[in-house]
This record gives sequence, structure tokens and C-alpha cells, in this order.
Amino acid sequence: GQQLNQSPQSMFIQEGEDVSMNCTSSSIFNTWLWYKQDPGEGPVLLIALYKAGELTSNGRLTAQFGITRKDSFLNISASIPSDVGIYFCAGQPSGNTGKLIFGQGTTLQVKP
Amino acid sequence: DTAVSQTPKYLVTQMGNDKSIKCEQNLGHDTMYWYKQDSKKFLKIMFSYNNKELIINETVPNRFSPKSPDKAHLNLHINSLELGDSAVYFCASSSTHGGIGNTIYFGEGSWLTVV
Repeated sequence: GQQLNQSPQSMFIQEGEDVSMNCTSSSIFNTWLWYKQDPGEGPVLLIALYKAGELTSNGRLTAQFGITRKDSFLNISASIPSDVGIYFCAGQPSGNTGKLIFGQGTTLQVKP
Repeated sequence: DTAVSQTPKYLVTQMGNDKSIKCEQNLGHDTMYWYKQDSKKFLKIMFSYNNKELIINETVPNRFSPKSPDKAHLNLHINSLELGDSAVYFCASSSTHGGIGNTIYFGEGSWLTVV
């Protein structure tokens, strides 16, 4: 089945540092979404990308939909303690299936 | 107001029991989903419904039976619970089923523990 490879699996950084994580796939996706999950909560949508090459920002977050439609990255600038959580990429495969495929998640810890 | 709400949030039950998780969305969306998150935090789709019609059934055991009385509700009933069913179950919804621009919103999750 289709899979997304998300890396890194975990990160432990100092407050103020920038963070970068990415997802790759062997197949094409027509939508890329980035979610954040806090402990005991559901995934919350951060950024949605709908076109190849699209670069979108949401505050300190920036994400891009890869030109090949097989990858996406998420950057967080000037990290703060509340950025702690699990970040998931999710892609919707081409073919109008309505199904989201999730990456394995990147666990981010920020040291004050 | 919570856009996608599910109950109960926590459920501890014995093997062999039957239990239900309810979900409601007030976003006016046509499509609802159930996702399962395992102990390694991996999220995988179980079912999707579009306007009360089953669209996706991802090889889930038939002990799991979703029911959609209307497009704002999608409940999940689980028969004969097994230890391996312990997980977090997330309800979600989107305005359409697939297509460009489709964005999925998640509920807060239901933590199921089977003992």
C-alpha cells in the first residue's frame, strides 16, 4: 500500500532554534496536510497544500508541496516551548479516494 | 463549540464486551471518517462515509460496524472486544470526499482500553 516516510522520527532542540521535517512518498499525492497533535488531543491542522510547488506560511510555520508531488517539508522558525508535540504529514493520493495517508510522525521536544 | 465531538473520551472495558463510540460534527460537512491510532502513534483510516453512504472500508474486522444515521453523525460500534482493539479512535470530517482542496478535521479522540 501507499506509504509516507516522515523524518526525523524525533527532535530535541533548544528554544529559539529552527526546525525542519519532511515527508516523502513513492507515489503522487494531490494534497499535503501538516497536523500537530498535543498529548491527549486529536491532530490539529496546521497547513494545507493543494498545488505542486506551493509554499505556504502560518505564523512561524512554513510548508511546501514538492514539485514532483511526492514530498513536502515543514519548517518551524524560532521554536518556543509550546511547539512541543507530534507533527504529522498526511497526503491524499491522486484518484479522488478521500483517504489520507499519514506519516509516522515527528516528536518535537523544545528545551527552554 | 467543538467542531467534531466524540464520546466517550475514555473507555475501559473487558474483553468480549460490546461498546460504541459516538461522533458528531457541526461543520456542515458531507463526509465523516474513523481513524485508529496505535500505540506507536500511527494513524490509519478505518472507514469513511459520504452523505450516510459507506465509501471506504479498510479491511477492518467485521466486529467493527460504523453507522451513520445522518451526515452529521457517524458512530462506531465494536463487538466482542479484543485486547488488540486498545487504541485511540479518532472521528474526522471533511466538506467533500476527496478532490483538490479537501481538508480533514479531527475530533479529540476516544481512548479505548480493553482489559
